[in-house]
Amino acid sequence: DAGVTQSPTHLIKTRGQQVTLRCSPKSGHDTVSWYQQALGQGPQFIFQYYEEEERQRGNFPDRFSGHQFPNYSSELNVNALLLGDSALYLCASTQVARLEGDTQYFGPGTRLTVL
Amino acid sequence: SQKIEQNSEALNIQEGKTATLTCNYTNYSPAYLQWYRQDPGRGPVFLLLIRENEKEKRKERLKVTFDTTLKQSLFHITASQPADSATYLCALERRQAGTALIFGKGTTLSVSS
Repeated sequence: DAGVTQSPTHLIKTRGQQVTLRCSPKSGHDTVSWYQQALGQGPQFIFQYYEEEERQRGNFPDRFSGHQFPNYSSELNVNALLLGDSALYLCASTQVARLEGDTQYFGPGTRLTVL
Repeated sequence: SQKIEQNSEALNIQEGKTATLTCNYTNYSPAYLQWYRQDPGRGPVFLLLIRENEKEKRKERLKVTFDTTLKQSLFHITASQPADSATYLCALERRQAGTALIFGKGTTLSVSS
């Protein structure tokens, strides 16, 4: 059973460019969340997708947008990249109907460097 | 504003000792509190979850306590090993299922042999 997968592993972009990151959730999971983790910080919630719609959003600007596909995979898009967007971008999946707490299964992340 | 603090950025202990990590929160009433382990350059890995009505939870050498009056959770690793060296993250979840996790900055544990 494959866990959460993300692509690419690493990415280098320049300021002003746009980037798309991809995530496939763990088998059986229907909800995908994206987190940004700057160096030395804990992950910060960007947004969550369920049934192809954005369910919740953290305190991130509109430059950050996403999409969920019918097969539950997801994309994170960031426009007009800033130096401060350099971070590890984590995708996490879960099942929204879980009775237990919302344990997240994280992917390995995409390391984005903005020059 | 809501705040989560893990009281130390780094903790160094000797192999065989018990490591105790602290997570404090303010202006928050979490339904669940979770602990994750993160190795450098990797995604967090779930360790333990404790509900607001539970005082303590154990899993092998790990123990978590949750005091909603003090707004604090303690995470213990007994008989620590060098392989336990990693960053440990505390995360809170509100009452509604499917909501986002709010993470602390993490505590980096180093266990020396």
